[in-house]
Amino acid sequence: SQQGEEDPQALSIQEGENATMNCSYKTSINNLQWYRQNSGRGLVHLILIRSNEREKHSGRLRVTLDTSKKSSSLLITASRAADTASYFCATDTSYGKLTFGQGTILTVHP
Amino acid sequence: DVKVTQSSRYLVKRTGEKVFLECVQDMDHENMFWYRQDPGLGLRLIYFSYDVKMKEKGDIPEGYSVSREKKERFSLILESASTNQTSMYLCASSSPGLAGSTDTQYFGPGTRLTVL
Repeated sequence: SQQGEEDPQALSIQEGENATMNCSYKTSINNLQWYRQNSGRGLVHLILIRSNEREKHSGRLRVTLDTSKKSSSLLITASRAADTASYFCATDTSYGKLTFGQGTILTVHP
Repeated sequence: DVKVTQSSRYLVKRTGEKVFLECVQDMDHENMFWYRQDPGLGLRLIYFSYDVKMKEKGDIPEGYSVSREKKERFSLILESASTNQTSMYLCASSSPGLAGSTDTQYFGPGTRLTVL
């Protein structure tokens, strides 16, 4: 089974709305990372949050981490059509390796 | 600007052919990775490398091998391509993280391989 599992699998919203994606994982982690993938392209790193951090911000992105619940959330505020992409969480559980979830497909309608 | 390049965006090969996928990074990263991405299965790690001439098996190494003769280049080899290896292949690189953790990975644009 996947270490990181995103929820929901797909999300459809209007421009200007906020988008929240969740990630759950099973084992203890060193850090958790979020990535974005535009259709048919490589992944782009968004945010890394370490196991001793609870919240992190980057522009319109806000990531939270709850290690007691083994979960993380990614919030995109005031979404834009250009935010349409797949979003993946990845957990760092052993040296040098990331385990990716299956992703959330976000569609932002203009 | 950091850059990871992959030799081909699209590749079509025949069953049984030997296939080479090349990945080059210009960031002097020690770590390099090969993933495959399939619908419904997410990204799965095939092989990774911590240093020149070093390689480690990932989660799905069967049917693949790798080569890292130079720090900037990491090659994925399909010794005898099969139709179930049709997939998107993604290369990534990273620096070693702090205290054994994993740092940000930088990805190439991907190679969509079709095996007929």
